[in-house]
Amino acid sequence: QVQLVESGGGVVQPGRSLRLSCAASGFTFSNYGIQWVRQAPGKGLEWVAHIWYDGWNKYYADSVKGRFTISRDNSRNTVYLQIYSLRVEDTAMYYCARVGPTVTTVGYWGQGTLVTVSS
Amino acid sequence: QSALTQPASVSGSPGQSITISCTGSSSDVGSSDSLSWYQQHPGKAPKLVIYDVTKRPSGVSDRFSGSKSANAASLTISGLQAEDEANYYCSSYTETIVVFGGGTKLTVL
Repeated sequence: QVQLVESGGGVVQPGRSLRLSCAASGFTFSNYGIQWVRQAPGKGLEWVAHIWYDGWNKYYADSVKGRFTISRDNSRNTVYLQIYSLRVEDTAMYYCARVGPTVTTVGYWGQGTLVTVSS
Repeated sequence: QSALTQPASVSGSPGQSITISCTGSSSDVGSSDSLSWYQQHPGKAPKLVIYDVTKRPSGVSDRFSGSKSANAASLTISGLQAEDEANYYCSSYTETIVVFGGGTKLTVL
């Protein structure tokens, strides 16, 4: 079955960088786009970024454009989210998710990794 | 990339039906049938319950149904059960971005 496991979260000081990972299994990874979605404590869902199956096309929310970089390594079945110049408002649970059952549906979610930005 | 509008909360008694609305614009909800609904219990990841406006993923109860008219979509849950108490989010997948609603807390009385 589809499995997505996020890692890399933790407590980080403002201004530092962090790289989150999303390890996938249970499907042909190179055939699917992957998204990152975050959720600040007690708040709603916020779409962050999307990378196509082949890694060529990447899209970002306006709120993170220029500070976040999404990438993937299809040989390792892993997607990454590099976050630069962390801000307190980046504090959130970060979920990776796979498209499906259609290419315009975010149907499969990991359990998330928590990023806390605090001095 | 404005968030879709949902009521903050709805409630209903066991066995009743409730409807959660999701309002967008002609550039998101109104122009795409890629409209999904997610259920999220506290401390858990979101779970897809409706996609493409009206379709249910395998394993999701037929008590969940969706509809759309113009710039507004709705999620209806019939025969409310205690386990339906959760937060619900709508989302619209428009071209290259995903927009979520602010979320609705469903309380089963």
